[in-house]
Amino acid sequence: QQQVKQSPQSLIVQKGGISIINCAYENTAFDYFPWYQQFPGKGPALLIAIRPDVSEKKEGRFTISFNKSAKQFSLHIMDSQPGDSATYFCAASVSGNTPLVFGKGTRLSVIA
Amino acid sequence: GAGVSQTPSNKVTEKGKYVELRCDPISGHTALYWYRQSLGQGPEFLIYFQGTGAADDSGLPNDRFFAVRPEGSVSTLKIQRTERGDSAVYLCASSLGTVWAGANVLTFGAGSRLTVL
Repeated sequence: QQQVKQSPQSLIVQKGGISIINCAYENTAFDYFPWYQQFPGKGPALLIAIRPDVSEKKEGRFTISFNKSAKQFSLHIMDSQPGDSATYFCAASVSGNTPLVFGKGTRLSVIA
Repeated sequence: GAGVSQTPSNKVTEKGKYVELRCDPISGHTALYWYRQSLGQGPEFLIYFQGTGAADDSGLPNDRFFAVRPEGSVSTLKIQRTERGDSAVYLCASSLGTVWAGANVLTFGAGSRLTVL
């Protein structure tokens, strides 16, 4: 049973375009939603995270949009650059209670 | 150290053999986690230590898997009687405290790639 469903599996975006990756969850007790970025041969690194008390969080070119009623959250990468080419994972957990559970990942390729 | 260090980076073994994977967390980080990442999948939780004790081992797939952290720093993941299905990248992460509170960032190592022939 997959607790966090991520889509698309892969994504190709033109340089300067917007990359959008979506995640859906079932467990309404989840209250921490991070996104991780992973380059080949490296471990995942935290990119940005959100809690359900806000609907959006922005850090530079990266924005998380959160829809509590739909149990969905998404990552938007504005002005996508070739250096953003990596695999992105959404994750979720219940604060103080459960391990982070990860989605299956989205492989993003930004082409010039 | 500056980051989470994992050794070996690559391990090839034969079915049925015993394997140990080592994780050296960031100095001062009390929480340590092991995850397993199969090809094309997200990290899958295995076990979490707070200090020396295993606070949550609910992700260990079976009793062939065991992990220790005897002095609250370095941890070793031990796999007995390896099977081909154990082939994956084993990731270690550490944080200042429990990440489950959401306040402390998990810092991952580069992983140990295990191949069981």
